[in-house]
Amino acid sequence: QVQLQESGPGLVKPSETLSLNCTVSGYSISSGYYWGWIRQSPGKGLEWIGDIYVGGSTYYNPSHKSRVTISADTSKNQFSLKLSSVTAADTAVYYCARVSTMSGADPWGQGTLVTVSS
Amino acid sequence: DIQMTQSPSSLSASVGDRVTITCRASQGIRSDLGWYQQKPGKAPKRLIYAASSLQSGVPSRFSGSGSGTEFTLTISSLQPEDFATYYCLQYESHPHTFGQGTKLEIK
Repeated sequence: QVQLQESGPGLVKPSETLSLNCTVSGYSISSGYYWGWIRQSPGKGLEWIGDIYVGGSTYYNPSHKSRVTISADTSKNQFSLKLSSVTAADTAVYYCARVSTMSGADPWGQGTLVTVSS
Repeated sequence: DIQMTQSPSSLSASVGDRVTITCRASQGIRSDLGWYQQKPGKAPKRLIYAASSLQSGVPSRFSGSGSGTEFTLTISSLQPEDFATYYCLQYESHPHTFGQGTKLEIK
């Protein structure tokens, strides 16, 4: 059974860099699939941030492309999100998910709330 | 980017009702669409993938249809546990994009 778990600071100061990890269990991230990040601002809808295919391509939402980096560490079986120059508008629950070109995003992590505040 | 227009944004219905939610894509996405249910404080749960394939373990009262640019999610007979927010997701091209969501409330 594939499981994903987000981790990282719950509070980030404005202008700093948000860094999150997603640890995957039950499946090797280098064995296929894309691995994605999605966020949800309080009371709002879901927003795709980007995704990575280990050993292949990385795709970013153009809305954040200049600030986002998604990378993978196969030795830890985890992938990461870095979002630079954060503002209060980046306050959100951040989810990671496994992504298939045939069936979309599933499963998802439980999500982690990141608040941007001084 | 492909824009997904979901309607309605909210819907009031009663237990036992049949409801339909629609997503329209700004360009053709074949059948590369999924439907998700989200309850407060929880991660989204996939109900349907490939436009019409039912996720394992999901009740058969949920069904999806469509291809190209127009898609529907139908709940044939609403149950109390179905009151939630529903989202469509296109994964035909990057960046993947969600519809705005439909909040299904009890009448």
